[in-house]
Parts: sequence; C-alpha cells; structure tokens
Amino acid sequence: AQSVSQHNHHVILSEAASLELGCNYSYGGTVNLFWYVQYPGQHLQLLLKYFSGDPLVKGIKGFEAEFIKSKFSFNLRKPSVQWSDTAEYFCAVASANTGNQFYFGTGTSLTVIP
Amino acid sequence: GAGVSQTPSNKVTEKGKYVELRCDPISGHTALYWYRQSLGQGPEFLIYFQGTGAADDSGLPNDRFFAVRPEGSVSTLKIQRTERGDSAVYLCASSLNSHTEAFFGQGTRLTVV
Repeated sequence: AQSVSQHNHHVILSEAASLELGCNYSYGGTVNLFWYVQYPGQHLQLLLKYFSGDPLVKGIKGFEAEFIKSKFSFNLRKPSVQWSDTAEYFCAVASANTGNQFYFGTGTSLTVIP
Repeated sequence: GAGVSQTPSNKVTEKGKYVELRCDPISGHTALYWYRQSLGQGPEFLIYFQGTGAADDSGLPNDRFFAVRPEGSVSTLKIQRTERGDSAVYLCASSLNSHTEAFFGQGTRLTVV
C-alpha cells in the first residue's frame, strides 16, 4: 500500500535559519510528488510539485525540494526561513497514472520565531 | 470568489443523524476530490469525480458514505447514520483535469456528538 512518512512532526526555528523537512514515500510505480502548505486559518495550497525531469524542483516563496528516486525521498528545503513561513507542511504522493488522488503524510508543524 | 467553496464551514450533528456537505468547485474544473482530515493526520482520500461519474471511490470508509456530482460541477458528500468517529474536517479539491494542480477549499468541520 502507498504511504508517506514525514519524520519531523514539530519544528521550531529562528528567522534566517535553514529548513529541511524530510519526506519518504512507499509506492511501487511512477509517482508525482507534492508539497502542500497550510497557513493558519487558510486552506491547503500547493508549494511545489515534481512530475518528471530535473529532480530539483523550485516552488513559491523560495522553497525547493529534491527528488531522490533511490531513497524514495522528496525533502523540502529553504535556505532562510521567515516568520511568515509558520504553517503546517504536507508531503503528498500520487500515482503518475491516476493523477490527483493524493496520499498525504501526517504533516510537519513549523514555527518560526522572529 | 474564484476558489473552491465548501458549505457549511462547521456542522454539529447528533450521532445517528444524516448530513450533507457541499462543494462548489472552480468553474470549468472537471476533476473533483473529497478528502477527510482527522486531528493530527494528513488528509485521507475519499473519492474522485471526473465529470459526473465517480472515477475512484476506493477511499470511502463504508457504505454510510456516498457522494454525488449530478451535473459535473457541485458535489455533495452524504453521510448516513453518523458516528462520533466521523468527526473530522472534510476537504474538497478541484482541478482542471486529473493531472493539473488541485485547489483545495477551506473544508467543513464536522462534529458528531
């Protein structure tokens, strides 16, 4: 069965610190990979996605993620976080054949201290 | 607005009652998805519509859950004989097709007491 593991449940960082959130997935076929963000009181928004091509994907607000196929990983990174990055971050995987039927991880709560 | 709209935003119901949750997708989006998010968990896939038909309902937990999309736009998620374990945030998402970006609504928080 498909599954997504996010290793960090709660992360607290000071502004300007670097961020890396881990995501590993288990799926037997070709996958599309996503990171979604949920700011306090708001709906889920797409941060970035990987379908094919360059495994280093750049998203909005300075975020990037790297797909490492051999490790079944899609870690999210940002070199310097801001207070406004405080949010819940979800990694998701979907079959490349079926589209947007996502399997989500349990999420990582990021708090950035000014 | 131009986003996915879900109503009501909050619903409190008694155990055993029937509830309907509504989703208005973005105009022109043919794909529509329902997810359920319990506290401390990521969203869990329930059902996917392509147009009017349910292309994949493998995520519906049991036969108390049913969803329709009769005209290929608005969708209703129906839950019969609600149980306390059904309490969660029910999320709807839509996309132009099944391989383009999915946009999520704010969700309906269902509480079964």
